[in-house]
Amino acid sequence: EAQVTQNPRYLITVTGKKLTVTCSQNMNHEYMSWYRQDPGLGLRQIYYSMNVEVTDKGDVPEGYKVSRKEKRNFPLILESPSPNQTSLYFCASSRDRVEQYFGPGTRLTVT
Amino acid sequence: AQKITQTQPGMFVQEKEAVTLDCTYDTSDPSYGLFWYKQPSSGEMIFLIYQGSYDQQNATEGRYSLNFQKARKSANLVISASQLGDSAMYFCAMRGLERAASKLTFGTGTRLQVTL
Repeated sequence: EAQVTQNPRYLITVTGKKLTVTCSQNMNHEYMSWYRQDPGLGLRQIYYSMNVEVTDKGDVPEGYKVSRKEKRNFPLILESPSPNQTSLYFCASSRDRVEQYFGPGTRLTVT
Repeated sequence: AQKITQTQPGMFVQEKEAVTLDCTYDTSDPSYGLFWYKQPSSGEMIFLIYQGSYDQQNATEGRYSLNFQKARKSANLVISASQLGDSAMYFCAMRGLERAASKLTFGTGTRLQVTL
């Protein structure tokens, strides 16, 4: 079954404690992205990757890092989380830019 | 730069009726794609329908159709024969197709409530 998986699905953490949200897709897609969703703002892109070792900033990259060492994985790293990074995070992948598959979402709370 | 505007924060529709969710866009890309997604209360994002700016005909997928008016820069979603399960948040999005980069720009969404 074609899917994008994210882990963890829910996370409560404290300010400054480094965390990683994993994202994996099994469709051999080249394009992968991270988005955050906040009430009233829709989804905003954090980072995207066009292929292995090729990443670029989206609209709201501050406070986040990514890496793309393998085609299937695209982890999102928060080196020093802050309360304003409390949000719902989605990973997405696509093959031909026509459609994107989304992961189930990760709800992060930073206290 | 790209911008998506969804002016209806909330809509109500009676079961079995049709409903139109508005979306207007702005872009400098000569070719682009337009998307609609559904987000039920469970939170996942579900792809509904896609329209390329170069497509001659409006896209349809089952009960969903996209009313694409290029000159007006609008890409409204029409849901026919609404069902209770259609109650959800709906997002319009677009992507430029000229560059390899795959950025999707979203609107702020419209919450649809289907009533009996």
